[in-house]
Amino acid sequence: DGGITQSPKYLFRKEGQNVTLSCEQNLNHDAMYWYRQDPGQGLRLIYYSQIVNDFQKGDIAEGYSVSREKKESFPLTVTSAQKNPTAFYLCASKGWGTGASDTQYFGPGTRLTVL
Amino acid sequence: AQKVTQAQTEISVVEKEDVTLDCVYETRDTTYYLFWYKQPPSGELVFLIRRNSFDEQNEISGRYSWNFQKSTSSFNFTITASQVVDSAVYFCALRGESGGSNYKLTFGKGTLLTVNP
Repeated sequence: DGGITQSPKYLFRKEGQNVTLSCEQNLNHDAMYWYRQDPGQGLRLIYYSQIVNDFQKGDIAEGYSVSREKKESFPLTVTSAQKNPTAFYLCASKGWGTGASDTQYFGPGTRLTVL
Repeated sequence: AQKVTQAQTEISVVEKEDVTLDCVYETRDTTYYLFWYKQPPSGELVFLIRRNSFDEQNEISGRYSWNFQKSTSSFNFTITASQVVDSAVYFCALRGESGGSNYKLTFGKGTLLTVNP
């Protein structure tokens, strides 16, 4: 089945540690995105990548880093510089064209808790 | 700047009632796209509908319908004969097509819909 997978589903981190969240898609989409969701809030864009080996900062990139070495993978690292990392993280991907292919589809999310 | 407002933070209805979720948007783009997503308790965002700014036709899909009115910058979502499985957070989102904005979805803060049996 085509889709987006994120792992792990739940992640616990001690303060001062870096952690990496995985996002993989087999939809052959070129663009991939990372969003952060806080309770009672909408989604905020952290980073996005429109093509392999290229990525851009979103609205809240400070304290995060990404890489895009393969089309199907877009891992997100939450660094110790991120002051308030406890949140729900959602990965999305999008193809090109019109209609359904020009829509962001989301993975199941990773819930990160800093202890 | 783009903005999406979902004024209803929470709505509670009894099963079989009809319910409308409001969405008002702001954009300077002449070409833009509007979306609705559903987020059930599991957390994953499920795509419901995409509508472009040139198509003001209302759409119906089963118990779901959407009313797009450019004159009032609104894209409201109605669930007819609601069911308990409709309980979720619903997000409205906007994507413009000017400059560098065509990559980004701007989300409202969501409306939590609870359908009670």
